[in-house]
Amino acid sequence: DVKVTQSSRYLVKRTGEKVFLECVQDMDHENMFWYRQDPGLGLRLIYFSYDVKMKEKGDIPEGYSVSREKKERFSLILESASTNQTSMYLCASSLFSGGEQFFGPGTRLTVL
Amino acid sequence: TQLLEQSPQFLSIQEGENLTVYCNSSSVFSSLQWYRQEPGEGPVLLVTVVTGGEVKKLKRLTFQFGDARKDSSLHITAAQPGDTGLYLCAGGSNTGKLIFGQGTTLQVKP
Repeated sequence: DVKVTQSSRYLVKRTGEKVFLECVQDMDHENMFWYRQDPGLGLRLIYFSYDVKMKEKGDIPEGYSVSREKKERFSLILESASTNQTSMYLCASSLFSGGEQFFGPGTRLTVL
Repeated sequence: TQLLEQSPQFLSIQEGENLTVYCNSSSVFSSLQWYRQEPGEGPVLLVTVVTGGEVKKLKRLTFQFGDARKDSSLHITAAQPGDTGLYLCAGGSNTGKLIFGQGTTLQVKP
């Protein structure tokens, strides 16, 4: 059974904290993605990676960075969390560029 | 910038009714994917359409890709409470990214 797992389902952090969200996939996929999901806005792409150590900015990269040291793991970093980063964060992976994406269950992050 | 406009945003219907969700753009997409997301879970792919005019059926769900590959629709016949969820369309672009619509929240009441 193919899987994308995310390190936490719920997370509460304080403004200014550095936050790490981890994502692991077991499908040997080249492509990995980080989205945030807010009501009425759909899924907005933060960053994606098409290979180890490679990363590309998505539509809303400000305030975020990513790391992909191993093929199966893609980390999202909030350098200094702010209240407007309170959201649902979804990680996904895909075998082919533009192909079906497999999603993790999401991390609901609250920044106080 | 490629955009996908999805409508309606919210739909609340009685069990047994039919409904259609629309996904429209001024841009051409190489493919159109439809996902369903249930509370507390990530989206799961329902179908991918790739050819203009293509129609695919998944039990009571019918998906259509417009002839010009700029729009798509999802039609559900005789909706069931189990169809409740968030439906997302996503267009495949030449950059390898998916462009997602805003989503349609469907509630089917027994």
